[in-house]
This record gives sequence, structure tokens and C-alpha cells, in this order.
Amino acid sequence: AQTVTQSQPEMSVQEAETVTLSCTYDTSESDYYLFWYKQPPSRQMILVIRQEAYKQQNATENRFSVNFQKAAKSFSLKISDSQLGDAAMYFCAYFGGSQGNLIFGKGTKLSVKP
Amino acid sequence: GAGVSQTPSNKVTEKGKYVELRCDPISGHTALYWYRQSLGQGPEFLIYFQGTGAADDSGLPNDRFFAVRPEGSVSTLKIQRTERGDSAVYLCASSQQGRNTGELFFGEGSRLTVL
Repeated sequence: AQTVTQSQPEMSVQEAETVTLSCTYDTSESDYYLFWYKQPPSRQMILVIRQEAYKQQNATENRFSVNFQKAAKSFSLKISDSQLGDAAMYFCAYFGGSQGNLIFGKGTKLSVKP
Repeated sequence: GAGVSQTPSNKVTEKGKYVELRCDPISGHTALYWYRQSLGQGPEFLIYFQGTGAADDSGLPNDRFFAVRPEGSVSTLKIQRTERGDSAVYLCASSQQGRNTGELFFGEGSRLTVL
């Protein structure tokens, strides 16, 4: 069965600085998708960034980028120029064809200090 | 509506009572998912609908949990004989392309508290 592990329960970053959130996963599939979702106190999960496993190029979305290491099964999220509005829970998630639903990690709580 | 709508936002009930949670997906989205998020945990899959039928209900924890989507739009998650362990946030998500990409649009969830 596929699993997603986020080893950092909490992280803190100074406003305007850069922070990296870690995620590892386990799968025997070769074709899958990886996601980072943000969950603010409003509880709504918001898609931050997505990566297709067959693409070697790391995905980027403005200040958000990933470091996707397929062989190592690692998928970290880098947030550059951190803003107060980035404070939230961040969840790494896996989606594979055989299971067909999102599998989430336990999350990392990110605090941004002014 | 513009996004996924879930009602009620918060529900407090007593142990043993029956509860219904409603999800109104984004218009035109054929796929609908229910997840449960316990305190300090990531969301856990419960059930997935493609149209009116439950394509995958492998995440439902036991037969006290049931979900329907009779017209392929609004879905209701039903919990019978609630237990304190059912306390959690129940998230609904919808998708236009079904399961193929995993990109889901989530509602704000219904927080259930069983006393």
C-alpha cells in the first residue's frame, strides 16, 4: 500500500525568508501524481502545486517550487519570500492509478514570524 | 455555486444519535469524494462517487456510515448510532475529470462533535 510521510510536525520561518517542507512516499507504481495542499484555519484544502511523476522537471508556481527526486521517493516543497498568509497546515498527497484516491501525510504546521 | 459547499459547518450531537452531512459540489463535476480528518491527522478517504454510483467505498470504517448521491450532484453522508470516536472534520471534494489526475476541489468541511 502507498504511504506518505511528513517528518516535520511544525516548522517556522521568518517573513521574506525561504523554508522547505519535507515529504517522502512509498509506492511500487511508476505513474502517479504528487501534490502539496494548504489548509488554513478555514479548513478548506487549497491546491498549492502538483507534479506528474513522469515529468523530470520540477514544478513551480510563483513562490512555490518542488524538489522531486523520483528514485529517492522524495517530494519537498520550497516556499520563497515567505508571507504571513502562508501560515497554515501543509499536506503532501499522493495519487496513483491503482488506488484512485488521494493519500495524505499527517501534515506540517507552518508558522510565519513577522 | 462557485465552490464546494458543505452543511452544516458545525454539528454537535449526542452519542447514539443519527447525523446527516450534506455536500453540494461544483456544478458539472462528476466525481465526488468524502474524507474524514481527525485532530492532528491528514484527511482519510471514505468514499468516492462517479455520477450517482459509489465507485469506491472501501474507506468507510463500518456499516454505521453510508453515503448517497441520488441525482449525481448533491451528496449526503449519513452516520448512524454515532460514537465519540466519530468526532472529526468531514471534508467533501469534487473533480471534473474524475479520478485520473487527483486534483480535487475541497469544501470547508463539517466539524462533527459527538458528546
